[in-house]
Amino acid sequence: NAGVTQTPKFQVLKTGQSMTLQCAQDMNHNSMYWYRQDPGMGLRLIYYSASEGTTDKGEVPNGYNVSRLNKREFSLRLESAAPSQTSVYFCASSDLSRWETQYFGPGTRLLVL
Amino acid sequence: GENVEQHPSTLSVQEGDSAVIKCTYSDSASNYFPWYKQELGKRPQLIIDIRSNVGEKKDQRIAVTLNKTAKHFSLHITETQPEDSAVYFCAAIYSGGGADGLTFGKGTHLIIQP
Repeated sequence: NAGVTQTPKFQVLKTGQSMTLQCAQDMNHNSMYWYRQDPGMGLRLIYYSASEGTTDKGEVPNGYNVSRLNKREFSLRLESAAPSQTSVYFCASSDLSRWETQYFGPGTRLLVL
Repeated sequence: GENVEQHPSTLSVQEGDSAVIKCTYSDSASNYFPWYKQELGKRPQLIIDIRSNVGEKKDQRIAVTLNKTAKHFSLHITETQPEDSAVYFCAAIYSGGGADGLTFGKGTHLIIQP
């Protein structure tokens, strides 16, 4: 099992460009999450999907959209990137029976110039 | 919503000594408290967790204690080793309402001095 995978690992964007961060899990988990990590700020929830077909906003959703493509995949889209979105983005997933125990992917480092 | 405060932000200890990291939470409904370890450039990994019906939990050299009345919980690492150097995050959540995101503290950078 690969667990939670994310692509790309690193990306540089110019202000105003758009991109989609991909996340997939092979653990048959129901719930998936997107967090961002900034220096000195810990991890903050952007969006989550409790189950296939549902998505909800987290603490910092502005400037992002998500799509739960199927049970395995959960993507995060930046429609018009801003320098404030420079961050490390982590995807996580959890099982229905113990959804609070979340397993993280390796992260995507995004630099917006 | 939940708010988690974590202290200290940086902790330097001599190899072999103990390290203690403390967190407080604001929502008395929170009942699940995990601790994650993140090495430089890597993903956060769950190292230990505790639920509100338990006061203490141990796993080899690490332990977590919970004081529900005071709304604080702590991570204890004994006999520290160089591989314990990392950033540690505490988190809190109410697990009875269905899937939701974790609320994290801002992290503690633990440095083990040789």
